[in-house]
Amino acid sequence: DTGVSQDPRHKITKRGQNVTFRCDPISEHNRLYWYRQTLGQGPEFLTYFQNEAQLEKSRLLSDRFSAERPKGSFSTLEIQRTEQGDSAMYLCASSLGSQETQYFGPGTRLLVL
Amino acid sequence: LAKTTQPISMDSYEGQEVNITCSHNNIATNDYITWYQQFPSQGPRFIIQGYKTKVTNEVASLFIPADRKSSTLSLPRVSLSDTAVYYCLVGAGGYQKVTFGTGTKLQVIP
Repeated sequence: DTGVSQDPRHKITKRGQNVTFRCDPISEHNRLYWYRQTLGQGPEFLTYFQNEAQLEKSRLLSDRFSAERPKGSFSTLEIQRTEQGDSAMYLCASSLGSQETQYFGPGTRLLVL
Repeated sequence: LAKTTQPISMDSYEGQEVNITCSHNNIATNDYITWYQQFPSQGPRFIIQGYKTKVTNEVASLFIPADRKSSTLSLPRVSLSDTAVYYCLVGAGGYQKVTFGTGTKLQVIP
């Protein structure tokens, strides 16, 4: 499968714990995006990378959230000191460039107890 | 970003053609119109993208009038497996701050 992959697919954690998600984009895609989706809502933009550079962050991305994309390949999204309000589906997408369609991964569903 | 407005939900019988219209009155000159499909617990899947007039692929057709202030996604002969949420997005191609809205929940009835 040469699509966008995300790991893990599901994560259950206790409030206050740290979690890290991984996204592997389509191999030649230089842009990578993170979104968050809560039940009944469309995905909300969090941040995006052009190669290894993080170019924009949404106001939704609080100080407890950090994303990296070392070497411009895979990306990680870390949430520190998780809160129940962080429970959501975290989606990753990639595109070949700024004008290209975004292709989404299957998402990581996070449940914070 | 141009704001989009879509019906919240639609029902259709199997085998019928379904048309979902999206309004985007503030669309900019360089904006494209893109539709995504999303099944529960999956990421959105690209369906079709267009700039003007009509675009057709193996899955759907996209009709865009001359003023580009709206667009219609047409799904021919829907089946139960087309039950999903459909999102209309407006932006410059893969514009980074894509905004999805709440989408249209299509329920196909046997």
